[in-house]
Parts: sequence; structure tokens; C-alpha cells
Amino acid sequence: ETGVTQSPTHLIKTRGQQVTLRCSSQSGHNTVSWYQQALGQGPQFIFQYYREEENGRGNFPPRFSGLQFPNYSSELNVNALELDDSALYLCASSPAEGGPNNEQFFGPGTRLTVL
Amino acid sequence: GNSVTQMEGPVTLSEEAFLTINCTYTATGYPSLFWYVQYPGEGLQLLLKATKADDKGSNKGFEATYRKETTSFHLEKGSVQVSDSAVYFCALSDLTSFQKLVFGTGTRLLVSP
Repeated sequence: ETGVTQSPTHLIKTRGQQVTLRCSSQSGHNTVSWYQQALGQGPQFIFQYYREEENGRGNFPPRFSGLQFPNYSSELNVNALELDDSALYLCASSPAEGGPNNEQFFGPGTRLTVL
Repeated sequence: GNSVTQMEGPVTLSEEAFLTINCTYTATGYPSLFWYVQYPGEGLQLLLKATKADDKGSNKGFEATYRKETTSFHLEKGSVQVSDSAVYFCALSDLTSFQKLVFGTGTRLLVSP
């Protein structure tokens, strides 16, 4: 069984640029969530996708957007990058059945540095 | 809003010492509670969870009990190993948003031989 994978591993961008991060969910999982983890902090919920629709959003501006594809993989897009966007971006997948008690399986993350 | 507060680290222990990492929460309703662990260079792994009051989650020698009266979910282990060195995150499920997790800031554990 393949776990959650993310690409790329590391990324360096400059202010104002746009970035796309990718996530492949674990086999059989139809829900994908994205989290931002700043250095020394806990992960912060960005949004979640279920059946290709956004299914909940945290306190992040609209320049953070996402997609989920029919195979349940997902993308996180960030426009107009700011220095504070530098962080580890984590993707997590889970089966929707079972509700909020479900374990979420996390990928290794993408480290984004904005210069 | 919902929030999780963890003790600040790092927590530095010698091998075979007893571990406690404190976690308290503020939440509407009765969320599920989780402990996740993050090893260097890796993503988060679920360590244990509890879904209702007085439940005890346990895994790999770690334990935590869901205490509704004190809104706490402290992590304990009787005898730590060097391999337990990692960052530990307490989290709750936010019942206002399907499967959203709210995390604490994490506690780094350093275990020396």
C-alpha cells in the first residue's frame, strides 16, 4: 500500500511568484487536507477537498487555492507569494467514512522558501 | 474558537526516564483528541487517539487519557528510548469543520543515552 506522497520535496521561489504543490493520496482515501507548518509551529489547516469540492477552509486568503482530481490526488496553488508563506506544506489523506475520528495520514511535506 | 496548548520544549531526558508532555484544550462540544509525532525530516504520524471522555489511547508504550473535567490529554511514557526523540503534537478534531485538525505548537523531546 503506497502512502501519501508529495512533490516537490523542496522549492525556492521569490516574492510575487506563483507555486503549485502536488499530493497523491493513500490508496482508497477520498479526502485530502492541506496544512501549513511554519518553523517551530504546529500545522495550520488550509483547506480540505472531498469529491473534488472544497469541503472546509481555514483562515487563509483566497490566493491559497486548490484542486482535487478524480483519482483523489490534489494540488495546492499559492499566488503572489509573500515571505511569510515560507513553511512546510503538509498534505494528509483519509477516508471520508468514519467522520472526524478518522486518522489522517500525512505525507512528508514540501518545504517552500520564499526569498 | 478551538485551541490546543502544549508545554514548551525542549524536554530533555535520559534514556529510561519517565516522560510527561502536558496538553490542554479549549473546544466546543466533545472533540476527538490525538497525539501525532514528527521525526526529523518526516511528516506527521498518528501516535494515539481518544474519541470520548475517559478513553485511554495507547501505542508503543505511550499513553494519554481524555480528561473532560480538566480538558487535558497529557502524553506519558514510562521509559523513553533514544529513538523516541522527535517533536510531539497534540491535536483535536474541530467539529465545526469535517475532519479539520487543530494542533498545538509541538514539544520537542530529546533523549540522551
